[in-house]
Amino acid sequence: AQSVSQHNHHVILSEAASLELGCNYSYGGTVNLFWYVQYPGQHLQLLLKYFSGDPLVKGIKGFEAEFIKSKFSFNLRKPSVQWSDTAEYFCAVNVGDSGTYKYIFGTGTRLKVLA
Amino acid sequence: DGGITQSPKYLFRKEGQNVTLSCEQNLNHDAMYWYRQDPGQGLRLIYYSQIVNDFQKGDIAEGYSVSREKKESFPLTVTSAQKNPTAFYLCASSIGRRQETQYFGPGTRLLVL
Repeated sequence: AQSVSQHNHHVILSEAASLELGCNYSYGGTVNLFWYVQYPGQHLQLLLKYFSGDPLVKGIKGFEAEFIKSKFSFNLRKPSVQWSDTAEYFCAVNVGDSGTYKYIFGTGTRLKVLA
Repeated sequence: DGGITQSPKYLFRKEGQNVTLSCEQNLNHDAMYWYRQDPGQGLRLIYYSQIVNDFQKGDIAEGYSVSREKKESFPLTVTSAQKNPTAFYLCASSIGRRQETQYFGPGTRLLVL
């Protein structure tokens, strides 16, 4: 069965530290990849996405993610986090099978950035 | 402003009661989804609809029902058969039949009395 794994459930960083959140998926076919973010008290919103082309994608607020097909990974990075990055981050994949598409979310990573 | 609205923000359910969560979108999206969010479990798909008058079960459909009579509306009913309904429920939509970027509502928190 298809699945998405986020190995870091809770991450605590100080401001200006670098961030990398892991995301691995299990599916052998074509995938679309996403990172969503849920800031405290706000809607879940898109951070960045990969459909095709350059495997290094840039999103809002200085975030980027790299798709490594051979590793089935789509890790999220930010060189220097800010207190306002405190949020929950979800990796998701969209897989297609016989004309039906399915979204699968990871379990999420709670990031707390200390000022 | 285009977006997705969910109501109510908080909902209380008594034992044996069915309750309905509202989801409305004015984005003119064809596809709509209901997710359940529990701590440490991420988002789990309850039901989705790719077009009016059609919907499919997701991974955890038992104890839930939906309807899609209008493009802009996708209400979710939590029935008495759902034994553990306490959760945060999120509604989302996307443009077309191929599920692409999803846009989420603010959510409804359901609590059992």
